[in-house]
Amino acid sequence: RKEVEQDPGPFNVPEGATVAFNCTYSNSASQSFFWYRQDCRKEPKLLMSVYSSGNEDGRFTAQLNRASQYISLLIRDSKLSDSATYLCAVRDGSNYKLTFGKGTLLTVNP
Amino acid sequence: DGGITQSPKYLFRKEGQNVTLSCEQNLNHDAMYWYRQDPGQGLRLIYYSQIVNDFQKGDIAEGYSVSREKKESFPLTVTSAQKNPTAFYLCASSLGLADEQFFGPGTRLTVL
Repeated sequence: RKEVEQDPGPFNVPEGATVAFNCTYSNSASQSFFWYRQDCRKEPKLLMSVYSSGNEDGRFTAQLNRASQYISLLIRDSKLSDSATYLCAVRDGSNYKLTFGKGTLLTVNP
Repeated sequence: DGGITQSPKYLFRKEGQNVTLSCEQNLNHDAMYWYRQDPGQGLRLIYYSQIVNDFQKGDIAEGYSVSREKKESFPLTVTSAQKNPTAFYLCASSLGLADEQFFGPGTRLTVL
């Protein structure tokens, strides 16, 4: 099992749709979790940290399920500008290494 | 403006040549990192530095070297020993190793 795995995508959704991405991780000792957004040929930008209690930022909601070892990102009322690749990242608690998933490509269509 | 800068944005080199990629940050972050990203792949850690004058190998350090003589700067040298150097190179920094990482704009290296 790979350390961090994401839904392969691509996801094509209409404007206004709700879309959810999952990311599973293999190391039960993982301590920190993040979602990054990466536009085409640009650097990743931190979208959200994922907290144990779940957290919300506007149309974006992140959840952590430690028992099943996955994190999720929910985007409500999708906008054209949400089109990007979404990368999850998981930090190992013992060596602070951040491991990234391969990313999921989202295209929001008019 | 505070941030991370990388230069150049695009770099072309002939096979067999060493090349150094620049990364500078003015965020007063202690930790800095180098990743490479290949098409359709996640980011892979090359080297990281927790503090000045200290650095550690990441998952794919072979064929690369770094230095950390100043807090603000963490240059990466891609040597001729790197078998497949063409990639998108991303530098990142964070306050400490346990903190959120922020990325520079990247350098796209093409070896001809």
